[in-house]
Amino acid sequence: KAGVTQTPRYLIKTRGQQVTLSCSPISGHRSVSWYQQTPGQGLQFLFEYFSETQRNKGNFPGRFSGRQFSNSRSEMNVSTLELGDSALYLCASSPSQGSHEQYFGPGTRLTVT
Amino acid sequence: AQSVSQHNHHVILSEAASLELGCNYSYGGTVNLFWYVQYPGQHLQLLLKYFSGDPLVKGIKGFEAEFIKSKFSFNLRKPSVQWSDTAEYFCAVTSNSGYALNFGKGTSLLVTP
Repeated sequence: KAGVTQTPRYLIKTRGQQVTLSCSPISGHRSVSWYQQTPGQGLQFLFEYFSETQRNKGNFPGRFSGRQFSNSRSEMNVSTLELGDSALYLCASSPSQGSHEQYFGPGTRLTVT
Repeated sequence: AQSVSQHNHHVILSEAASLELGCNYSYGGTVNLFWYVQYPGQHLQLLLKYFSGDPLVKGIKGFEAEFIKSKFSFNLRKPSVQWSDTAEYFCAVTSNSGYALNFGKGTSLLVTP
C-alpha cells in the first residue's frame, strides 16, 4: 500500500504571496491532519479533516486554511506569507474517525524569502 | 495547559550502550501515547504506541516503552543501540477527546561506532 504523498516536496515563495500544499492519504484513510515543523517550535498541529469537515484546529492565524475533498485528498493554503512561515509542513493520515494512529508523509519544505 | 516534555534534547551514545529517553506529559483524563522517530532525510515513523492494557509496550527495531500513570511518564528504552538508531525521537500524546498529536520538542540521538 502506498504511503502518504505530499506535493510539492520543496517550494520557495516570496513574502506576501500565497501557497497551496497538497496531500494524498493512504488508500482507505479518511482522516487527514496537518502539522508544521520548525527548529524553534518543533511539531505543531495545524488542523484535522474527516469526511471533508474540519474537526480540530490548532493555534494558528486565519492565514492558514485547509480543505478536504471527497476522495480524502487534502490541501492546505497559507495566504500573505511571512518569513516565519518557513517550515516543513507534514501531512498525516488515519484510518478512521476514532483512530489516534497517524501515518506521516515526507513533508513539503517551504522557504519564504 | 496540556504539554509534553522530553528531558534530553541531545544524547550521544556509543554502540551497544543502553538507551532511555524521558517523556512526561501534562494531561487530564485518558491519554494515548506515542513515540515517533525521524531518521535523517526520512519522514516521521511510528515506533510504538500505548492506548490501554499492558503498560510495557514493544515497538519496532527492539524499542520498548513503559507507561507509568502515577508519574505521567512514557519513557523509551532500548537495551543496546546501533549506529543506525541515530535519529530524532519524538514523544507525542493525544487525549480521548481529540485526535491532534501534541508533540514534545524531540531528542536528537547520535550513536557513535
